[in-house]
Amino acid sequence: GAVVSQHPSRVICKSGTSVKIECRSLDFQATTMFWYRQFPKQSLMLMATSNEGSKATYEQGVEKDKFLINHASLTLSTLTVTSAHPEDSSFYICSASFGSPDTQYFGPGTRLTVL
Amino acid sequence: GQQLNQSPQSMFIQEGEDVSMNCTSSSIFNTWLWYKQDPGEGPVLLIALYKAGELTSNGRLTAQFGITRKDSFLNISASIPSDVGIYFCAGPGTGNQFYFGTGTSLTVIP
Repeated sequence: GAVVSQHPSRVICKSGTSVKIECRSLDFQATTMFWYRQFPKQSLMLMATSNEGSKATYEQGVEKDKFLINHASLTLSTLTVTSAHPEDSSFYICSASFGSPDTQYFGPGTRLTVL
Repeated sequence: GQQLNQSPQSMFIQEGEDVSMNCTSSSIFNTWLWYKQDPGEGPVLLIALYKAGELTSNGRLTAQFGITRKDSFLNISASIPSDVGIYFCAGPGTGNQFYFGTGTSLTVIP
């Protein structure tokens, strides 16, 4: 099956620093990658959708200048949380699709803790 | 955005019992997906439904695409401890949007 990896799996950082999370599709080319955020005991909330080589489309209420998304290749997308604050602490999950959005393969997630 | 409400919110059952959960939407979906998420991991796709009225099985799991296209059901038969986790329904909206339900947390007591 299709495999998606994320790195790092956990990160702890100080308030005000920036954190980069990588999402890779290991055995297929992903035309679209999705970034989700999940707070404890809550559902996954779509943050943004990115297509290779073009700007990401952000969901309403998600600050594009704070959550920078780069989808430079068909196998790699990155999410950078800039000037992170404690309220940004969350579980960030990416997914990758090579066709329609209903065929998404999810990464294992990245737990971000901002002190 | 579209809302997907799942019920029950949580379930505590004895091993061997059958489980039933559902998902309702405020609007029509053309695809329904059911995922399971283990703690600290990403969701894993269990079953995909593409047609109103469709009934699809995957081992002990059976899911149905409601005839109104606004709901879906997931049943798990003869539950086992490894069924523990959070079950989410999901579906694509317009464009590349994708919505997850509120989740049903399942605890199986050995």
